[in-house]
Amino acid sequence: NAGVTQTPKFRILKIGQSMTLQCTQDMNHNYMYWYRQDPGMGLKLIYYSVGAGITDKGEVPNGYNVSRSTTEDFPLRLELAAPSQTSVYFCASSERDYTYEQYFGPGTRLTVT
Amino acid sequence: AQSVTQPDIHITVSEGASLELRCNYSYGATPYLFWYVQSPGQGLQLLLKYFSGDTLVQGIKGFEAEFKRSQSSFNLRKPSVHWSDAAEYFCAVGARTGGGADGLTFGKGTHLIIQP
Repeated sequence: NAGVTQTPKFRILKIGQSMTLQCTQDMNHNYMYWYRQDPGMGLKLIYYSVGAGITDKGEVPNGYNVSRSTTEDFPLRLELAAPSQTSVYFCASSERDYTYEQYFGPGTRLTVT
Repeated sequence: AQSVTQPDIHITVSEGASLELRCNYSYGATPYLFWYVQSPGQGLQLLLKYFSGDTLVQGIKGFEAEFKRSQSSFNLRKPSVHWSDAAEYFCAVGARTGGGADGLTFGKGTHLIIQP
């Protein structure tokens, strides 16, 4: 059972470039989340989704976009990369809302220079 | 809005010694509280959670945590640490975040170092 998978593991972007971080889960979870983790700052919620076709903003959504066309996939899009988006990005999923355990992927380390 | 404070950025403990990691939360209603562990280069893994009932909860890997409403605390404990416990530990509260978003609000984490 793969759980939550993320690709790529590492990426270096130049300022202004765009990219998509991929996230897939095989647990048939309705809820999916994107967090960013900055050094010494814990994790911040970027976007979340409660099911296919439904997404909503979290605490720090600016500069990002998401889509949820299937239950399994929840990609995160960076349109115009900025140095402030240098971070480690984690995707997570849960069976239901925040009262349920979230399962995390291994993360994507992104550097924008 | 809810918040979580982990006052200790780093803690060093000798192998075999006991451990307590502190967590204080701020939330207006009954909190849903979690402790997650992050090993180097890995994602987060749930250690334990508290929703209601018995205020002492048991988790995986020999960890336990005690919810104290009067102190707004949810401290994590382990009676005897192993070298493999060296990791980053995050306390989190589950709630509707500002703007109505569902998710976890995390503390900044405590980095646990195990001395041989």
